[in-house]
Amino acid sequence: DIVMTQSPDSLAVSLGERATINCKSSQSVLYSSNNKSYLAWYQQKLGQPPKLLIYWASTRESGVPDRISGSGSGTDFTLTISSLQAEDVAVYYCQQYFRTPFTFGPGTKVDIK
Amino acid sequence: EVQLVQSGAEVKKPGESLKISCKGSGFTFTSYWIGWVRQMPGKGLEWMGIIYPGDSDTRYSPPFQGQVTISADKSNSTAYLQWSSLKASDTAMYYCARPRVAMMGDAFDFWGQGTMVTVSS
Repeated sequence: DIVMTQSPDSLAVSLGERATINCKSSQSVLYSSNNKSYLAWYQQKLGQPPKLLIYWASTRESGVPDRISGSGSGTDFTLTISSLQAEDVAVYYCQQYFRTPFTFGPGTKVDIK
Repeated sequence: EVQLVQSGAEVKKPGESLKISCKGSGFTFTSYWIGWVRQMPGKGLEWMGIIYPGDSDTRYSPPFQGQVTISADKSNSTAYLQWSSLKASDTAMYYCARPRVAMMGDAFDFWGQGTMVTVSS
């Protein structure tokens, strides 16, 4: 199975400041035929199901604010919130969908400092 | 409008059986894979497995293989997750979810509201 790790486990950022979350896969999730990394990011707020933010490592889902962006390829990925807002308080998960089982990272909790 | 509507919360005793459901609407149910995700209290997301209702092709994550059964009734646009003998460790929120496009390998963009299963003597 592909193991996903995330860092940090949690972070607290001041409103308007940048939040950066890292995700690493134990194997490459880059499919050479289409040059796409099969990596998604989700946001889960308390008491809600997860919400898709980013797919193909860097494509923003419709309706997701442009302060949220994804980058990376192969095995190393980053989710960036460029200017943290109160509504961004949540747990963020990465997930690989390259090979079943489509494993999730352990999550990173983002709070306001 | 795409919707996945899950059955209500359940409280069961260890050893009992259970089948929870996820009804899809607003899309061609037989053309999309439906996945199941577990979230134990205060913990992260775990991918359990996925089914293609069109032909019932099913894949399981190893920890869940043999522990649960994923099925689908395409005539009713409903996917199911069932246990034959529940354990206390099955206590969790269970989500169904649908990938963005009609392929197994894609991110989940639609999620059910979740079904809370509590197993306690």
